Amino acid sequence: DTAVSQTPKYLVTQMGNDKSIKCEQNLGHDTMYWYKQDSKKFLKIMFSYNNKELIINETVPNRFSPKSPDKAHLNLHINSLELGDSAVYFCASSQDHYPGEQYFGPGTRLTVT
Amino acid sequence: LAKTTQPISMDSYEGQEVNITCSHNNIATNDYITWYQQFPSQGPRFIIQGYKTKVTNEVASLFIPADRKSSTLSLPRVSLSDTAVYYCLVGGRNRDDKIIFGKGTRLHILP
Repeated sequence: DTAVSQTPKYLVTQMGNDKSIKCEQNLGHDTMYWYKQDSKKFLKIMFSYNNKELIINETVPNRFSPKSPDKAHLNLHINSLELGDSAVYFCASSQDHYPGEQYFGPGTRLTVT
Repeated sequence: LAKTTQPISMDSYEGQEVNITCSHNNIATNDYITWYQQFPSQGPRFIIQGYKTKVTNEVASLFIPADRKSSTLSLPRVSLSDTAVYYCLVGGRNRDDKIIFGKGTRLHILP
């Protein structure tokens, strides 16, 4: 069983579109995260949710909105996509908020054309 | 949150012990040190975490000197499959602590 899964794995879309990336964890963890890794491989946290409560909301554009229907899911919605949004997006989970061990999903490669 | 500095890249040979050092001069009292490994096209994978002195698990050791301003990840007898990017993180248990992955160290193992 995959601990942290993301769908889709690849996403190609045009500028201006709205898209969503789904994440699910079956580890029973309380905290979930979204990270963005750009072409230079810098990995930056975007959001953190603990028991459906937003903990961290880094300086990301409000076009990005995390939605957590329950503790096992944290979806990422992106409105009005821009070229600069092209990156790999990783979902992760941990039992406690950092510094607990985080389990990462396989990533979603988003390409905006 | 303490900023970390790591070498950009390192090369080593199979069977060697590899030590990757991370500097974190501004580490706070309640900060922990965590290392992750990332292979191409995969998410990072937790390797080891420590607070002080030495921590060892089945894949690595983490050495932290008394002043905690640096830490060293030690990989014993590396193999080609250890070629990856290694990230050092420093942070505490506060809920609003920012989680920052540094630029990482690209380790290349040669045959």
